[in-house]
Amino acid sequence: EPEVTQTPSHQVTQMGQEVILRCVPISNHLYFYWYRQILGQKVEFLVSFYNNEISEKSEIFDDQFSVERPDGSNFTLKIRSTKLEDSAMYFCASSEMGGSSNQPQHFGDGTRLSIL
Amino acid sequence: SQQGEEDPQALSIQEGENATMNCSYKTSINNLQWYRQNSGRGLVHLILIRSNEREKHSGRLRVTLDTSKKSSSLLITASRAADTASYFCATVGFYNQGGKLIFGQGTELSVKP
Repeated sequence: EPEVTQTPSHQVTQMGQEVILRCVPISNHLYFYWYRQILGQKVEFLVSFYNNEISEKSEIFDDQFSVERPDGSNFTLKIRSTKLEDSAMYFCASSEMGGSSNQPQHFGDGTRLSIL
Repeated sequence: SQQGEEDPQALSIQEGENATMNCSYKTSINNLQWYRQNSGRGLVHLILIRSNEREKHSGRLRVTLDTSKKSSSLLITASRAADTASYFCATVGFYNQGGKLIFGQGTELSVKP
């Protein structure tokens, strides 16, 4: 069964450094998402992406964050200048269609980001 | 916030027993979904119920939705040790075209052999 893959599984970065988290969504999916989960807390929406542009973003997704689909397969999340509070598990997800189509989202196993 | 509470926060049962988890939400929804998360892993989609549906089954899973009470329940029948995981409900808002999921806090289920 096709799956969403994320790399790396664990990223350790010094505060203030840039980090890029990578995702390969399922190939025929059109909608892409990033979520994060701080340890012990609930999963929070960051951003959704469709047709090569951001369709919605949360308050968490400030100017330090950006997303890109550089080619036909990868979907990346960049944090420009990391802060301690960015430490979390970051999940990528994809779905065939958007919310009104009642399609489930398929999640990757996540990247654990640790900011020192 | 669109999402309300899930209860219980933690549930411990014996293998073979049924497990029931509840979820409440605050605004009109397009659909409600249940996900499972094993420790340190990603979220696995279990079942999706549309706002015009009241009950849905998938194997040992039964989900109900009461839009008048803005609540849903997930029942796992004849639980197994392998069902041990965290379970989350997530909603897609009625007017949300992009499909953003709003998650609850989750229920941590422990099934003892």
